[in-house]
Amino acid sequence: KAGVTQTPRYLIKTRGQQVTLSCSPISGHRSVSWYQQTPGQGLQFLFEYFSETQRNKGNFPGRFSGRQFSNSRSEMNVSTLELGDSALYLCASSLGGGAGDTQYFGPGTRLTVL
Amino acid sequence: QKEVEQDPGPLSVPEGAIVSLNCTYSNSAFQYFMWYRQYSRKGPELLMYTYSSGNKEDGRFTAQVDKSSKYISLFIRDSQPSDSATYLCAKTDSQGGSEKLVFGKGTKLTVNP
Repeated sequence: KAGVTQTPRYLIKTRGQQVTLSCSPISGHRSVSWYQQTPGQGLQFLFEYFSETQRNKGNFPGRFSGRQFSNSRSEMNVSTLELGDSALYLCASSLGGGAGDTQYFGPGTRLTVL
Repeated sequence: QKEVEQDPGPLSVPEGAIVSLNCTYSNSAFQYFMWYRQYSRKGPELLMYTYSSGNKEDGRFTAQVDKSSKYISLFIRDSQPSDSATYLCAKTDSQGGSEKLVFGKGTKLTVNP
C-alpha cells in the first residue's frame, strides 16, 4: 500500500505571499491531520479533516486554513506568509481519526519564508 | 506547563548500549501513548503504541507507561547506528470524535559505531 504523499517537498516563498500544500492519504483512510514542526515548538497540531469537514482545530491564526476533497485528499493554505511560518508541514492520515486510530505521517513539505 | 515534556538531549551512546528515553505528561484523561521515530528529512514513523500502564515489548524496543506518575519511557536494547534519529513521544487528545496527537519536542539520539 502506498504511504502518505505530500507535494511539493520543498517550497521557498517571500513574506506576504500565500502557499498551498497538498496531501494524499493512504488509500481507504478518511481522516487527514496537519501538523507544523519547528525547532522551537516541535510538532503542533493544525487541524483535522474527516469526510470533507473540519472536526478539530489547533491554536493557529486564521491565516492557516485547509480543506478536504471527496477522495480524502487534503490541502492546507497559508495566506500572508510571515517569517515564523518557516517550518516542516506534516500531514498524517488514519482510517477514521477516532480513539485508537494510528496516524501515519507523510514526508512533509519544508516551507522557507524569506 | 506543556502537556508533554520530553528531555531534548541530544543523547550520544556507543553501539550496543541500552538507551532510555523519557517523557512526562500532565493531562490525566483516558488516552493512548506512542513513540515515533523521525530520521533526518523524513516524516515521523510509529514505533510503539500503548494505552495501559505497564510494559509493551517489540523486538529491541520496550515502551513503558506509568499512569500513576504520568511517566512514559522507551528503552532500546543493543542500540545500533541505524537507531540514530529523533524520538518523539506523543499522547492522544480526543475532542468530539476527533483525535489529535500532542507531542514532546523530541530527543535526538546518536548511536556511535
